Amino acid sequence: DAKTTQPTSMDCAEGRAANLPCNHSTISGNEYVYWYRQIHSQGPQYIIHGLKNNETNEMASLIITEDRKSSTLILPHATLRDTAVYYCIVRLFNKFYFGSGTKLNVKP
Amino acid sequence: NAGVTQTPKFQVLKTGQSMTLQCAQDMNHNSMYWYRQDPGMGLRLIYYSASEGTTDKGEVPNGYNVSRLNKREFSLRLESAAPSQTSVYFCASSVRGRTGGEKLFFGSGTQLSVL
Repeated sequence: DAKTTQPTSMDCAEGRAANLPCNHSTISGNEYVYWYRQIHSQGPQYIIHGLKNNETNEMASLIITEDRKSSTLILPHATLRDTAVYYCIVRLFNKFYFGSGTKLNVKP
Repeated sequence: NAGVTQTPKFQVLKTGQSMTLQCAQDMNHNSMYWYRQDPGMGLRLIYYSASEGTTDKGEVPNGYNVSRLNKREFSLRLESAAPSQTSVYFCASSVRGRTGGEKLFFGSGTQLSVL
């Protein structure tokens, strides 16, 4: 029973914006959407999270649809160091469940 | 602050052996987690602890036990290791963010091989 759905992989040219989509149609009204990334076999790293409004920080922007059933993570100027697996996560009963994520390949 | 510290970083076991993976955090977080990650897969939740003395099962708890004796430490025990438990194990803790929601912090992982 998938809590989020993401494409398996995506390519992006260096310097371009990377737009990573996520579907979370069963999200509850008061639950946040979280994005993490994992580079190689390191522990996942926090990127951003949001509830209803769009959010931006120094790493990325998060766009959440009005019905909250999907969201998009935007890396505005992707670099080779952004090559990683990106996880879109919603919590269930206070627990974080990771799906399989999207492998983003940033190419020169 | 060291953050989330896991020991050991690498371990090789024989089938049937037991061992405990240690995890400690120095950030005064209430919640702690154990995940496993098989090659090419995402992270799967093994156990979760909302606070000292409480634990709850995740997606794949079979074959594991956990102990949260104090706020800092959350250990994962394999009583009788099996080859199917070969994986990378990550410990994490979380704290409520200033703008709401929770923020996870991960350790660097333990690579476990069961022969």
